[in-house]
Amino acid sequence: AQRVTQPEKLLSVFKGAPVELKCNYSYSGSPELFWYVQYSRQRLQLLLRHISRESIKGFTADLNKGETSFHLKKPFAQEEDSAMYYCALASGGYQKVTFGTGTKLQVIP
Amino acid sequence: DAGVTQSPTHLIKTRGQQVTLRCSPKSGHDTVSWYQQALGQGPQFIFQYYEEEERQRGNFPDRFSGHQFPNYSSELNVNALLLGDSALYLCASSLGWERSNEQFFGPGTRLTVL
Repeated sequence: AQRVTQPEKLLSVFKGAPVELKCNYSYSGSPELFWYVQYSRQRLQLLLRHISRESIKGFTADLNKGETSFHLKKPFAQEEDSAMYYCALASGGYQKVTFGTGTKLQVIP
Repeated sequence: DAGVTQSPTHLIKTRGQQVTLRCSPKSGHDTVSWYQQALGQGPQFIFQYYEEEERQRGNFPDRFSGHQFPNYSSELNVNALLLGDSALYLCASSLGWERSNEQFFGPGTRLTVL
């Protein structure tokens, strides 16, 4: 069975400080990993996916298959980064997506 | 484009009743997935529809069923409601069924079972 673990329910950082949101997964096959974000009063939306290898809003995430991790990082936090972040894994041929329990990022001015 | 729309916004039912939730995908999208999100939890995958057929299913009992119509809109039906079915139900759509495709989420339907 596949599983996504986000160990921190809440992460508080000061503006300008680096951010790292942790995500570990368990899956026997080759997964697709995503980070979704939900800003206050907005819908859940895709932030980035490992297959794209892109940086969105200054965030990056590297898939480490050896450590089965997909941590989300940003060098300098901004107040507008405050939101709920979900790590997700897609398996199989179709979109059977498993989400983690989420981490609330709070950026302190 | 309003994006993914869901109706109703809120719903209150009693145990044992049946409920139908509706979803219209983003314009041009042909694949719809449903998720259940309990308070303080991440979304849990219920099932995915593509070409009017259920393609993938999560660990949900047969009380949860769905349908996709020729216009790609979808319904989620839940029979014999339990208190534990109280949750936010999210619909997501995408262009194509491939797992790497971006999913666009709706605002959700808040179901309360009394």
